[in-house]
Amino acid sequence: QVQLVHSEAEVKKPGASVRVSCKSSGYTFTAYYIHWVRQAPGQGLDWLGWINPHNGDTHYAQKFQGRVTMTRDTSISTAYMELNSLTSDDTAVYFCARDRTTIVPGVFSLDALDIWGQGTLVSVSS
Amino acid sequence: DIVMTQSPDSLAVSLGERATINCKSSQSVLYYSNNKNYLAWYQQKPGQPPKLLIYWASTRESGIPDRFSGSGSGTDFTLTISSLQAEDVAVYYCQQYYSTPPTFGQGTKLEIK
Repeated sequence: QVQLVHSEAEVKKPGASVRVSCKSSGYTFTAYYIHWVRQAPGQGLDWLGWINPHNGDTHYAQKFQGRVTMTRDTSISTAYMELNSLTSDDTAVYFCARDRTTIVPGVFSLDALDIWGQGTLVSVSS
Repeated sequence: DIVMTQSPDSLAVSLGERATINCKSSQSVLYYSNNKNYLAWYQQKPGQPPKLLIYWASTRESGIPDRFSGSGSGTDFTLTISSLQAEDVAVYYCQQYYSTPPTFGQGTKLEIK
């Protein structure tokens, strides 16, 4: 079935970096945008950005510009999100999620997020 | 950025009764060229990722029970659960995908009265 599977939980010190992976299966990885969304404990949903797995194009939320990098490895149908200069405010569950609509070359349009990974808990503490 | 504001923040409804959650966007999410509202609703249960319920403001995702319905246009939207079931206890979020960045409402916690 269609699914996104995350890497295991991470514990990091302030100032460190973390890389979270999201492996897709059950569909053509390069045909759908992958978004990253985080959720701090007891809080709401915060969008970090998206990656086009077909060509590697990315778009990041302004608040994470310069600190986040999204990449992909099409050979293993996996997307990655790396966040640098971690602080305690970055403690959260990080989700990857698939955009509902297939990518059309030359046409940019976002859609709702129909498939979500189970999330990766990133804890930042000294 | 488009700000999404949900009301109420929490809601307690008796089993079998109707539950209504509202969502207001700071600007219209209606795209006039295709007459679609770029608005989705999600359900999140504890320890789980969000689950897509509704997209285009009123289209139910495959497999979602028909007691869930979405309505509204422009800046004002509503998620209605026609007859609350015990398994509907969750936090519900609206989200606009009209413009980047996509933004979510703060969430509405739905409980059983």
